Amino acid sequence: DTVLTQSPALAVSPGERVSISCRASEGVNSYMHWYQQKPGQQPKLLIYKASNLASGVPARFSGSGSGTDFTLTIDPVEADDTATYFCQQSWNDPFTFGSGTKLEIK
Amino acid sequence: QVQLKETGPDLVQLTQTLSITCTVSGFSLTTYNVHWVRQPPGKGLEWMGAMWNGGGTDYNSAFKSRLSISRDTSKSQVFLKMNSLQTDDTAKYFCARGYGYNPSFRYWGQGVMVTVSS
Repeated sequence: DTVLTQSPALAVSPGERVSISCRASEGVNSYMHWYQQKPGQQPKLLIYKASNLASGVPARFSGSGSGTDFTLTIDPVEADDTATYFCQQSWNDPFTFGSGTKLEIK
Repeated sequence: QVQLKETGPDLVQLTQTLSITCTVSGFSLTTYNVHWVRQPPGKGLEWMGAMWNGGGTDYNSAFKSRLSISRDTSKSQVFLKMNSLQTDDTAKYFCARGYGYNPSFRYWGQGVMVTVSS
């Protein structure tokens, strides 16, 4: 299976820029997607195919990368961005998710 | 608008079978795929399998032969059935809509929390 590795947690202050990384154990082409999940809610799609902003998502969110290394960037961070962020690949079977990065806003 | 809703039991006994229904609206099951994803309490997301728009299925091998996904297009429903439940199957089970063979999941149901009890 394709393992997606994310840092467990990050803490930033409002107004700062934060980058959340996701490294795949094998290539996933550009089929990496990013989700935001708040407690008790379903995941919300932020970025699809590495760099495409999902409908209705603020332009503060952006994605980059290809192959095995991907990054979700939030700039500037707002208090409401407190959440866990997951990457997901849909190139290799089975589809897999990263373990999530918990973002704390100081 | 696009909606997905999971319905199923809150509690399942150890070794028994779990059955969850995903009822969709706002789109056709013959155009879009429906995937099942689960999340144990406090943990990450795990893709379980898919019902493709053409009627085929795909399963995560982690579930071996325990998992079955089917559908009733006339009722806009997709069904998950998993047998031989263990305590580590305790999780929130989501259905989500995908498109194409390399999908992202823009639309999700609210999920149903299932506890496996001994």
